[in-house]
Amino acid sequence: GNSVTQMEGPVTLSEEAFLTINCTYTATGYPSLFWYVQYPGEGLQLLLKATKADDKGSNKGFEATYRKETTSFHLEKGSVQVSDSAVYFCALKVSGSSNTGKLIFGQGTTLQVKP
Amino acid sequence: DAGVIQSPRHEVTEMGQEVTLRCKPISGHDYLFWYRQTMMRGLELLIYFNNNVPIDDSGMPEDRFSAKMPNASFSTLKIQPSEPRDSAVYFCASSTTGSANQPQHFGDGTRLSIL
Repeated sequence: GNSVTQMEGPVTLSEEAFLTINCTYTATGYPSLFWYVQYPGEGLQLLLKATKADDKGSNKGFEATYRKETTSFHLEKGSVQVSDSAVYFCALKVSGSSNTGKLIFGQGTTLQVKP
Repeated sequence: DAGVIQSPRHEVTEMGQEVTLRCKPISGHDYLFWYRQTMMRGLELLIYFNNNVPIDDSGMPEDRFSAKMPNASFSTLKIQPSEPRDSAVYFCASSTTGSANQPQHFGDGTRLSIL
């Protein structure tokens, strides 16, 4: 079946530190991969996406590369800010199956950035 | 453009009462999703619709939960009777097609507290 596994949190970093949040997936077919971010008290927002192998999604200084050989989509940012404190969700979506349209989410990773 | 609109933002009610959550998807989107988020279970997909038709309701926890989509611009999620364990944040999301590269757009959620 299709599944997403993220590193457990919380991840606590100092401002300007380098961030990596690991995400690996299992999927039948050819998934698209997404990172969503949820700020306190808000809904999930799309942060970035990649739709095929070796694609790199990027937004707001975050980036993630679709690695088919390692079935991974790790989120990285070179220098985090306090305002990046949020919960980050990795997700996949597979077309052409009975789950068409449905996102499979990881469990979420909480990031806390301290000044 | 208006995003996904959910109402109410907060709901506090006593157990045994009927609760109705409402969602207006983004105009032109033909998929609508209802999620529940709790600390214990994370983000769970309850049900989703395509062109107003329920496609997968396997995530609906019990018969006390029901969802309808009478037209393309409105959906409801009802809990009757409500119980304290239903307390959670409920999100609605919509997307344009089932295509794998189309993300879902989330509302800000309804925070439900059952006393």
